[in-house]
Amino acid sequence: SYELTQPLSVSVALGQTARIPCGGNYIGSNNVHWYQQKPGQAPVLVIYRDDNRPSGIPERFSGSNSGNTATLTISRAQAGDEADYYCQLWDSGTGVVFGGGTKLTVL
Amino acid sequence: EVQLVESGGGLVQPGGSLRLSCAASGFTVSSNYMSWVRQAPGKGLEWVSVIYSGGSTYYADSVKGRFTISRDNSKNTLYLQMNSLRAEDTAVYYCARDIVGTHGDYITSDYMDVWGKGTTVTVSS
Repeated sequence: SYELTQPLSVSVALGQTARIPCGGNYIGSNNVHWYQQKPGQAPVLVIYRDDNRPSGIPERFSGSNSGNTATLTISRAQAGDEADYYCQLWDSGTGVVFGGGTKLTVL
Repeated sequence: EVQLVESGGGLVQPGGSLRLSCAASGFTVSSNYMSWVRQAPGKGLEWVSVIYSGGSTYYADSVKGRFTISRDNSKNTLYLQMNSLRAEDTAVYYCARDIVGTHGDYITSDYMDVWGKGTTVTVSS
């Protein structure tokens, strides 16, 4: 079965740029999507199909995907960006796959 | 406004059954792919099941043979019938609307653009 690997945690200073990686075998050949989940809340889609932002998501959120790593980038990080972030894709052998999630801390 | 509202969660003994409901508003359930995703306490997201607009259904191996996804078009509602429940099924269960994508020769779920707030299922004696 396909697996997506994320670091358990990432820290970023207030106002700086956070990068959250998502590793997978040849992940660059798949569409990758990202969700933000704050404590006690449902996930919210922040990036779809590698680098597209849904309406209402700030331009500070961007995505990229190449080789074996997809990356969610959050520019000018704010305290309100503290959350868990999950990458996700669809795999022909596994179906919908989520990464284990990364807790973003804004210092 | 597009919205999903889950209900039906609760405390159930191991081996018991529960049916979750997900009422949709602002769009038609039967015209969309719809999924259930769960999250065990302190853990990550786990996809559980999907029903395609054409009626095909698919399940995670962990629930195959025990859970059944269905919908009632007249009520615009999605369901998850859960039987033979185990302690490891304890989780918050979310329903979500899937956006469709093409993957080679397949038309499948791609990502989830609308999520409900979730309903909590606790399996314990």
